[in-house]
Amino acid sequence: KNQVEQSPQSLIILEGKNCTLQCNYTVSPFSNLRWYKQDTGRGPVSLTIMTFSENTKSNGRYTATLDADTKQSSLHITASQLSDSASYICVVSEDSGYSTLTFGKGTMLLVSP
Amino acid sequence: DTAVSQTPKYLVTQMGNDKSIKCEQNLGHDTMYWYKQDSKKFLKIMFSYNNKELIINETVPNRFSPKSPDKAHLNLHINSLELGDSAVYFCASSHDRRMRMNTEAFFGQGTRLTVV
Repeated sequence: KNQVEQSPQSLIILEGKNCTLQCNYTVSPFSNLRWYKQDTGRGPVSLTIMTFSENTKSNGRYTATLDADTKQSSLHITASQLSDSASYICVVSEDSGYSTLTFGKGTMLLVSP
Repeated sequence: DTAVSQTPKYLVTQMGNDKSIKCEQNLGHDTMYWYKQDSKKFLKIMFSYNNKELIINETVPNRFSPKSPDKAHLNLHINSLELGDSAVYFCASSHDRRMRMNTEAFFGQGTRLTVV
């Protein structure tokens, strides 16, 4: 069964600090891994998309890593801002005819002033 | 300009009622989806349509019936609402039904359905 697990479930950090969120997956066959940011009351917005040939990808202060061998990914947020407070969701896509996305539960990040 | 818009944003209704949620995308995408986000926060796919044709139906009760009048619209009609239907429902779209590396999925803002 395809699964995506994320840790920690929630995290509180001070503004300006860095943090790293973790994702483990068992989706097969693997196509790509995505990180989404979901603000409260809004839909998810894509941050990064990575395939197995990519080890790291950045989008501003967000840097995602992928280890396809261990089936692990991380999202590193640098110099956090209050607007980074949101849920960060790891999503994995299958490599199939009409592939579906398997979502993790998300990590709720609160950046405190 | 909102890429994927769904209405209403909030919906409170009594058990047994029938309700609809509308979704429209102005991105010219061929594929549209309905996802359900329950209290545990998992997003799970319910339906997927490609060019008005149903391609994914993930064991959703028959009370849920999607309708796609054209490829820019995918509405969700729910009959005989139950308490367990309370959740946030997200519409999404993508240009390709295969979620490959270059295929972005764009989500609407969500509809919070509360059944009382």
